[in-house]
Amino acid sequence: AQSVAQPEDQVNVAEGNPLTVKCTYSVSGNPYLFWYVQYPNRGLQFLLKYITGDNLVKGSYGFEAEFNKSQTSFHLKKPSALVSDSALYFCAVREPSGGYNKLIFGAGTRLAVHP
Amino acid sequence: DARVTQTPRHKVTEMGQEVTMRCQPILGHNTVFWYRQTMMQGLELLAYFRNRAPLDDSGMPKDRFSAEMPDATLATLKIQPSEPRDSAVYFCASGPRQTQETQYFGPGTRLLVL
Repeated sequence: AQSVAQPEDQVNVAEGNPLTVKCTYSVSGNPYLFWYVQYPNRGLQFLLKYITGDNLVKGSYGFEAEFNKSQTSFHLKKPSALVSDSALYFCAVREPSGGYNKLIFGAGTRLAVHP
Repeated sequence: DARVTQTPRHKVTEMGQEVTMRCQPILGHNTVFWYRQTMMQGLELLAYFRNRAPLDDSGMPKDRFSAEMPDATLATLKIQPSEPRDSAVYFCASGPRQTQETQYFGPGTRLLVL
């Protein structure tokens, strides 16, 4: 079965500094990887996904993620953090199951960006 | 722009009462998912529909939960009878037909069972 791990419950970053939110995965076959963000009292919002092609994927709000097959990682990055980036971030992997696809989500990492 | 809508946004009820949550997927999406989010368990997939047919509801307690999709514009999740442990935020998500589907989430229904 597919799985993702987000090793950090919380990441603290000063505004203007680069941020990284870590994700590692375990899949059989080609990985389809996703990042979602959840702001307080809101649903999850899609940020970006890796299906195939370039290992560096660019997404919404200036975020990007780097797919690293040898390290089975898909870390989320942003060159300069904003206070408004403070939210809960989820990594997810697609799991084909019985002819359809579902997403397996990690436990989430809370990002706190301080002024 | 197109969004998944959910009603009600908040629900407070007493143990034993029936709770019905509704979801309107994005027009043209053929997959609908129901998730439950709690602090302890995180995000759990409860049920999945494709073209209105339930394909997987293995994550759902069968004795009290039921999910239906009476038409392409409405999905429902019912709890009867409700229990305090059902208190959570319930999200609906929909996805397009492509195989590498991205799921689009609604704002959630925050349920509190007293």
